[in-house]
Amino acid sequence: EAQVTQNPRYLITVTGKKLTVTCSQNMNHEYMSWYRQDPGLGLRQIYYSMNVEVTDKGDVPEGYKVSRKEKRNFPLILESPSPNQTSLYFCASRGSQGAYEQYFGPGTRLTVT
Amino acid sequence: ILNVEQSPQSLHVQEGDSTNFTCSFPSSNFYALHWYRWETAKSPEALFVMTLNGDEKKKGRISATLNTKEGYSYLYIKGSQPEDSATYLCAQRPYGQNFVFGPGTRLSVLP
Repeated sequence: EAQVTQNPRYLITVTGKKLTVTCSQNMNHEYMSWYRQDPGLGLRQIYYSMNVEVTDKGDVPEGYKVSRKEKRNFPLILESPSPNQTSLYFCASRGSQGAYEQYFGPGTRLTVT
Repeated sequence: ILNVEQSPQSLHVQEGDSTNFTCSFPSSNFYALHWYRWETAKSPEALFVMTLNGDEKKKGRISATLNTKEGYSYLYIKGSQPEDSATYLCAQRPYGQNFVFGPGTRLSVLP
């Protein structure tokens, strides 16, 4: 089954404690993205990757890191989480050419206290 | 940063009513316009991708139109059902890679 998976689905942590949210897709997609969703705002892109070892900042990259060592995986790293990073996070992937559809993971709800 | 807007922010309709919402976006550098349906506690699910001015897409009771010259897209739902209750997101993709999402329209269909 074609899918995007994220782990964990829910996470409560404390300020400053490094964390990683994993994202994996099994569709051999080149493009992968991370978004955050906050009340009253649209999905905002944090980082995206066009292929292995190619990443770039989205609209709200501050406080986040990503890596793309393998095509299927695109982890999101918060080196020192802060309460303003409490949000719902989505990973997404899509193919490389044309107006290919974007597939979303199930979301990770992160709370930083 | 592009500004994609959606209206209304939310609406409530009775089962059987038809309804529509608007997505407006900057018309310059247009590449594609996407509509998603997002149910609570689930991930956004693709409805339509439209690329050409005048495009019309239909899936069951849901359809969408696109006007790239004036920068808007309409989503129509005919004969709304309670299972249509969700947030409907539009996203513009300018020429390049980044999707820019609107804030969504939250639809509640009352039985």
